Amino acid sequence: GDSVTQMEGPVTLSEEAFLTINCTYTATGYPSLFWYVQYPGEGLQLLLKATKADDKGSNKGFEATYRKETTSFHLEKGSVQVSDSAVYFCALSSLEYGNKLVFGAGTILRVKS
Amino acid sequence: EPEVTQTPSHQVTQMGQEVILHCVPISNHLYFYWYRQILGQKVEFLVSFYNNEISEKSEIFDDQFSVERPDGSNFTLKIRSTKLEDSAMYFCASVHEGLAKNIQYFGAGTRLSVL
Repeated sequence: GDSVTQMEGPVTLSEEAFLTINCTYTATGYPSLFWYVQYPGEGLQLLLKATKADDKGSNKGFEATYRKETTSFHLEKGSVQVSDSAVYFCALSSLEYGNKLVFGAGTILRVKS
Repeated sequence: EPEVTQTPSHQVTQMGQEVILHCVPISNHLYFYWYRQILGQKVEFLVSFYNNEISEKSEIFDDQFSVERPDGSNFTLKIRSTKLEDSAMYFCASVHEGLAKNIQYFGAGTRLSVL
C-alpha cells in the first residue's frame, strides 16, 4: 500500500539556520501531498499541501515541491525561529483510497535561540 | 476560526472497560475520520465516515471499535472492551465537501491511557 518515509529526528538547529526535512513516498496512484505540524499540546495543523507534480506548497516561510520523478516532498525553510519548534508530519492522500491520510513517522524540530 | 473539538483531553480507564471519545467536527463538514498515534509510532488511520455510515476502515478497526454520529454534531469513537495496547492519542478530523475536499482539519486529540 501507500507509504511515507521521513527523516528521523530530532533535528536541532540554531535560530536563523536553514531547515530541510526529507520526505519520500510510495503510491500507486497520484496522491496529494501534505505537511502537517503539531505544536506542543495541540492537534495536527495543515502547514502546506501540493496536489500535482511540480506544485510548490508554501506557508509561513516553509516550502515543499512535489517531485514526481524522485517521489519526494522535502520541507524547507530558509531561516527557522524558536517558535517553529514542533513535530512535522509528511502525509499523502489519494482519492482512490477514500482520501484517508497516510503519515510519515514525524520529525521533531528543536530550534535554539 | 472554526475548529474540531475533542473531549476529554485525557481519559484514563481500566482494561476491559468501555470508553467513548467525543469529537465535534466543524459544522459544515461532511466527512469524518478517526486516527490514532501510539506513543513513538506513526499516526494511523482507523475509520472514515460519510453520510451516516462507515466508508472505510483499517484492519485496526475491529469489532471492539464503533463510531456514531448520534445527533448531527457529535462524532464518537467507542471502544467496547479496552486493552492495554489501545493506549494512544486519538485524533478526530473532518473535511468539507467541495474544492478543499482533501484538507483534513484535526482536533487536539484525546490521550487514552489503559491501565
